[in-house]
Amino acid sequence: SQQGEEDPQALSIQEGENATMNCSYKTSINNLQWYRQNSGRGLVHLILIRSNEREKHSGRLRVTLDTSKKSSSLLITASRAADTASYFCATDFNAGKSTFGDGTTLTVKP
Amino acid sequence: DTGVSQDPRHKITKRGQNVTFRCDPISEHNRLYWYRQTLGQGPEFLTYFQNEAQLEKSRLLSDRFSAERPKGSFSTLEIQRTEQGDSAMYLCASSSDLAGGNYGYTFGSGTRLTVV
Repeated sequence: SQQGEEDPQALSIQEGENATMNCSYKTSINNLQWYRQNSGRGLVHLILIRSNEREKHSGRLRVTLDTSKKSSSLLITASRAADTASYFCATDFNAGKSTFGDGTTLTVKP
Repeated sequence: DTGVSQDPRHKITKRGQNVTFRCDPISEHNRLYWYRQTLGQGPEFLTYFQNEAQLEKSRLLSDRFSAERPKGSFSTLEIQRTEQGDSAMYLCASSSDLAGGNYGYTFGSGTRLTVV
């Protein structure tokens, strides 16, 4: 089974709203990464947060990590139609090999 | 450097045929990964290399799958005697573990395999 699981599986919001998606994992990790995938394309790395970090920001993205709960969240603020994509978390618990969840599909309606 | 390149973008093959995919990573990256992704699922780990050494291969990977990375540069993934269940997107990614650890992967656009 996959190490990380995203929640919800699907999310639909209006442009301008915030989108929050969550990731839970099972074992201790070195770091956790978030990726975006547009339909039929490769994945794009968004942000990496290490196990000793609690929060990171990148533009409109905010990622939090709670190692005690083995969970992470990705917040996209002021969403745009172009943010429509699938979002995956990936956990690195084995010195460099990352394991992906099945993703959250985000739809941002104009 | 234009990122991670994969070739071909699409491959249609008949069941039982062999196929080979190529991946050219970012030249400064010493790690190279192969993942497989089916519709609605996340990428599933297949194997990875550090330089030319294959460090890990998924137990889910049958012996019909083989990967190489000669000279620690480009990599090839070969599937022998393809089956319809092999139909998927095959993704290559590279990363660098220099300067203290994983900084995230750079993915190629993938090779979509259809076995008919």
